[in-house]
Amino acid sequence: GQNIDQPTEMTATEGAIVQINCTYQTSGFNGLFWYQQHAGEAPTFLSYNVLDGLEEKGRFSSFLSRSKGYSYLLLKELQMKDSASYLCAVADSNYQLIWGAGTKLIIKP
Amino acid sequence: ETGVTQTPRHLVMGMTNKKSLKCEQHLGHNAMYWYKQSAKKPLELMFVYNFKEQTENNSVPSRFSPECPNSSHLFLHLHTLQPEDSALYLCASSQEGQANQPQHFGDGTRLSIL
Repeated sequence: GQNIDQPTEMTATEGAIVQINCTYQTSGFNGLFWYQQHAGEAPTFLSYNVLDGLEEKGRFSSFLSRSKGYSYLLLKELQMKDSASYLCAVADSNYQLIWGAGTKLIIKP
Repeated sequence: ETGVTQTPRHLVMGMTNKKSLKCEQHLGHNAMYWYKQSAKKPLELMFVYNFKEQTENNSVPSRFSPECPNSSHLFLHLHTLQPEDSALYLCASSQEGQANQPQHFGDGTRLSIL
């Protein structure tokens, strides 16, 4: 079957760095997406990786290793507004998105 | 503002009621989706429409009935729902045919079944 695993919850301190991991087993691979979802709001797109390596976008970076079925989202210089759920999703061989359950990130002052 | 608007934002209904959820996208996309989001569970894809044609129905019970009159509007008609159907229902749109194009989501309808 198809499966996406990510931690349920993480806690970090304002100003610090946090890494949210995602491992996947899917039938085919056509890219991996990270989304941010604040409580009561729409998931919003953060990043897309289809080749191995690190993609950097300001304070956020996303890494992919296709051979390991592994990705992480790295958040630097954490701010209180980064408290949210972070969703990992993989596009399978049919380009259908397979979703993880999300990681709730709690930022403490 | 994500370019995808869902109404209503909240809905409480009894098990014998009939109601409809509405979604409208202003992004010029050609694909639209309905998802169910329950607490601590992955997003569950319910229906997919490409160019107004339904291309995916992930074994969704018939008490959920989608309608896509044009590429900008999507409805989810609800009737005789069960308490386990209480969840956040998200609509999304994307430009199909381009693998790296993300889906854009609305804020969802929080549905509570009494």
